[in-house]
Amino acid sequence: GENVEQHPSTLSVQEGDSAVIKCTYSDSASNYFPWYKQELGKRPQLIIDIRSNVGEKKDQRIAVTLNKTAKHFSLHITETQPEDSAVYFCAASKGGSYIPTFGRGTSLIVHP
Amino acid sequence: GAVVSQHPSRVICKSGTSVKIECRSLDFQATTMFWYRQFPKQSLMLMATSNEGSKATYEQGVEKDKFLINHASLTLSTLTVTSAHPEDSSFYICSARGEDLRLDTQYFGPGTRLTVL
Repeated sequence: GENVEQHPSTLSVQEGDSAVIKCTYSDSASNYFPWYKQELGKRPQLIIDIRSNVGEKKDQRIAVTLNKTAKHFSLHITETQPEDSAVYFCAASKGGSYIPTFGRGTSLIVHP
Repeated sequence: GAVVSQHPSRVICKSGTSVKIECRSLDFQATTMFWYRQFPKQSLMLMATSNEGSKATYEQGVEKDKFLINHASLTLSTLTVTSAHPEDSSFYICSARGEDLRLDTQYFGPGTRLTVL
């Protein structure tokens, strides 16, 4: 089955800095890669996603890049703000079932 | 649109009792619902996938007789933790997707915090 590795487990940055979270996946058939943000005790919220036919996608301060050859994808957050503090999960899934396999999560702490 | 609710949000029960958690899609028909379990500071672990009107498909290692899942309608799925024990204490989250929505996207409920004394 699919295996998703996520790094780092904890990321501490100063407000205004950039943050990068990296994930690798094992199943070359995976073609959909969502990123979720989960605040403490709340539901995961989809913040951005990318499909395998695209190498990069951007939405305001958030961007995701995908390298299919290397089987890794990354989340980039620019100009971080304290409200960006949360746990971020990457996931990988493939057509048919589209059942995602989640990474272990990255706790992002943005210091004011 | 695509709102999923869960009830209760928090439940405390005694060891040996059963607890039922409801997951509802409020504004779409959920052909597939998923149940996850999340321990503190850990990832989401898929427990089972259920399709309306059919038996749930459980992930390896999940006891189907302990975690009973019913998906009787297109808007409701229930998870019953039978004979709960302290090790069942966890955050349980459901998610749903519908044929009228993007098939690759899941919409999560707010979660249920279960504490077994």
